[in-house]
Amino acid sequence: DQQVKQNSPSLSVQEGRISILNCDYTNSMFDYFLWYKKYPAEGPTFLISISSIKDKNEDGRFTVFLNKSAKHLSLHIVPSQPGDSAVYFCAASARAVIFQGAQKLVFGQGTRLTINP
Amino acid sequence: EPEVTQTPSHQVTQMGQEVILRCVPISNHLYFYWYRQILGQKVEFLVSFYNNEISEKSEIFDDQFSVERPDGSNFTLKIRSTKLEDSAMYFCASSEAPSGGTQNTDTQYFGPGTRLTVL
Repeated sequence: DQQVKQNSPSLSVQEGRISILNCDYTNSMFDYFLWYKKYPAEGPTFLISISSIKDKNEDGRFTVFLNKSAKHLSLHIVPSQPGDSAVYFCAASARAVIFQGAQKLVFGQGTRLTINP
Repeated sequence: EPEVTQTPSHQVTQMGQEVILRCVPISNHLYFYWYRQILGQKVEFLVSFYNNEISEKSEIFDDQFSVERPDGSNFTLKIRSTKLEDSAMYFCASSEAPSGGTQNTDTQYFGPGTRLTVL
């Protein structure tokens, strides 16, 4: 099941620069996308989300861009900080087709981001 | 800030034994989920639960699995007869009831996970 793909298993960025994490999806029914951050031995922590009616959502240092025609989304972190070092997961759901809102999330494989001082 | 809690943090069991993983979702949330992550693999959906019944379940969630909300605060995942391949991190998540379709109500918040080791 490769409905959500993160093709880069790892990314290394200098502190203060921009980190760009990418995610592709294949299921055209997906209409809600989220990014989660995960530290070792902890659960995924919600970062930011975007609905398919938008193409950009910004929250502080984090911005998510959605390109529906390309079925691609990206997470930009600027400026990158050492505390941003973690595994980042892209996730998607199909809200419109799910009854009563208990929609499952489909996750990508994750990208390990390392911020170098 | 409210958070999802899970116990135990680590459970070791013998193959064939029953285990119960416990979760306390965020108090005003009404939608509950279990996911798992086998070492080195993706986070996978197991089951969603609303209004005291299963909303959706994956192929992984076979007859050996069950979920229950025994009281107003706990949400449990039971594996009746564990197999070696059940070894994984199990994450509980919860989300608010939908209201007006605002995206914040759909966000799922995850607990810290239970590491299940089946020997």
